[in-house]
Amino acid sequence: SQQGEEDPQALSIQEGENATMNCSYKTSINNLQWYRQNSGRGLVHLILIRSNEREKHSGRLRVTLDTSKKSSSLLITASRAADTASYFCATDADSGGSNYKLTFGKGTLLTVNP
Amino acid sequence: NAGVTQTPKFQVLKTGQSMTLQCAQDMNHEYMSWYRQDPGMGLRLIHYSVGAGITDQGEVPNGYNVSRSTTEDFPLRLLSAAPSQTSVYFCASSRGLPYNEQFFGPGTRLTVL
Repeated sequence: SQQGEEDPQALSIQEGENATMNCSYKTSINNLQWYRQNSGRGLVHLILIRSNEREKHSGRLRVTLDTSKKSSSLLITASRAADTASYFCATDADSGGSNYKLTFGKGTLLTVNP
Repeated sequence: NAGVTQTPKFQVLKTGQSMTLQCAQDMNHEYMSWYRQDPGMGLRLIHYSVGAGITDQGEVPNGYNVSRSTTEDFPLRLLSAAPSQTSVYFCASSRGLPYNEQFFGPGTRLTVL
């Protein structure tokens, strides 16, 4: 079963605008990660936020984590056409209690129009 | 560093055939994993390994076998291919979960007829 669920499933914006994607999860986690996947390629790690952190920045990326709501958001500021990709959240929570499984959501497809 | 490499890039099989998807990493990572990605389903974990000689099942292990005889290699075997195994397969490695990122290979696109 999916642990993380991204919202929206698809997002289309103009270059220069900000893009916000959300992720909700069901059980307690140690950390939450965001990955990007360009069409036909493997996933690339963007950022990891631990359960005791509330916000993290990396370049034009800003990730927040609200463990009380079991949700996270990824903000991409001043988007570029090259940001067009699918974005996935992943958590290490597992119903079996193992820390060794990373569970991915179904992703948000972001399209940035020039 | 080559990172995580996967071979082949594309493969077409007939139902009932067997094959091995190869995965190798040169980063001395202990943790390796296999995922399959299907449209609208995201990535689902098939098998993973926390070190040489240690493997465990993920979310969708049926029809697949793995072994980990070295730190570098983590092959995925399809025992008797079925059309339901048509998918894109990704191998990933990490220094270890939960607090480390995973590095993904470029994927193998498998079609089972």
